[in-house]
Amino acid sequence: SAVISQKPSRDICQRGTSLTIQCQVDSQVTMMFWYRQQPGQSLTLIATANQGSEATYESGFVIDKFPISRPNLTFSTLTVSNMSPEDSSIYLCSASEGVATEAFFGQGTRLTVV
Amino acid sequence: GENVEQHPSTLSVQEGDSAVIKCTYSDSASNYFPWYKQELGKRPQLIIDIRSNVGEKKDQRIAVTLNKTAKHFSLHITETQPEDSAVYFCAASTGTASKLTFGTGTRLQVTL
Repeated sequence: SAVISQKPSRDICQRGTSLTIQCQVDSQVTMMFWYRQQPGQSLTLIATANQGSEATYESGFVIDKFPISRPNLTFSTLTVSNMSPEDSSIYLCSASEGVATEAFFGQGTRLTVV
Repeated sequence: GENVEQHPSTLSVQEGDSAVIKCTYSDSASNYFPWYKQELGKRPQLIIDIRSNVGEKKDQRIAVTLNKTAKHFSLHITETQPEDSAVYFCAASTGTASKLTFGTGTRLQVTL
């Protein structure tokens, strides 16, 4: 099973600034994803992080707001840009080793925008 | 895209009783259905999953059933214990994308 480390675990940021969240997997994985989870709510997929190419974004999420990098098979970053209080949420990194296989999650980044 | 509905949103059972959570999905091409348990402040963790070529799967006190015709799947927990208290999410994924669409979650409380 893959172990995912995510940092920072939490942050409080000023509106208008940007925060980059890092996700490190302890083994090479095929798939990496970024989710958002409002407290007490379900998980919503932001995008699929593609190794060596542009991420694939879900409806309602755009690259300018959530730029994603994935330079190799074990690492990805998500940037939340030009933040507003509505961006306050938990951001989760996820990875799986193949199609229809278990998805592992990082511990999440709790972001508060003030 | 895929849409997953989950019921009930909250469920309270007495210790030792069974709990059942139900989900329906919209995309008939979905082929992988995991269930996650999320304790407060923790990351989601897989408890059981089922693929579309299987109708039922069991792991000790936990079982999942899948009805492809009706496009619904259910989680069954028997002999519930206080440590089963958590939020449970069902999910579905389609084809080779492996991205998960999650249900809205069920808060399960097991009382003594």
